[in-house]
Amino acid sequence: DVKVTQSSRYLVKRTGEKVFLECVQDMDHENMFWYRQDPGLGLRLIYFSYDVKMKEKGDIPEGYSVSREKKERFSLILESASTNQTSMYLCASSLAGRGFFGPGTRLTVL
Amino acid sequence: KNEVEQSPQNLTAQEGEFITINCSYSVGISALHWLQQHPGGGIVSLFMLSSGKKKHGRLIATINIQEKHSSLHITASHPRDSAVYICAVRRGGGADGLTFGKGTHLIIQP
Repeated sequence: DVKVTQSSRYLVKRTGEKVFLECVQDMDHENMFWYRQDPGLGLRLIYFSYDVKMKEKGDIPEGYSVSREKKERFSLILESASTNQTSMYLCASSLAGRGFFGPGTRLTVL
Repeated sequence: KNEVEQSPQNLTAQEGEFITINCSYSVGISALHWLQQHPGGGIVSLFMLSSGKKKHGRLIATINIQEKHSSLHITASHPRDSAVYICAVRRGGGADGLTFGKGTHLIIQP
């Protein structure tokens, strides 16, 4: 079975902190994604990556950056966390169009 | 207007009832996904459709490409089917990121 893991299930940070959210998949998938999920807005794509060292902006990239140094790992970075980045963050990888999701990280920025 | 619209937003039904959740989209797509999200955040991919109909156990998904509409049906519903069901489309043109509906919150009462 494909496994997508995220480094934390719950995270609490302070405004202005630099935050790293890590995602690892074990099936050699080339495509990886970061989404955030908010009540009333559903899931929205932040960034995605087709390959190592490649990144593409999604629908809401502002305030975020990403890093893909190795194929299995896709990191989401909040350079200076703000309260409006409090959300559930979901990582996914895909093969042949079928997505596999991680368990999510619920981030609270105080 | 959202590119992916789901209805209903909330649905409460009795155990054993036949459930239908609808999804309409306004963009060209290469595939449509139905996802299930249980409390706690974990997302499971139920179906990926590009045409016709798929069945898995008590779940049936259909898509009508001409009408830009898909339905998810649950037969003989059970309380363990209680979850948020999310429709997502992969747009045509090569982008692999998904665009999501806002989800349907289903509660099946015993």
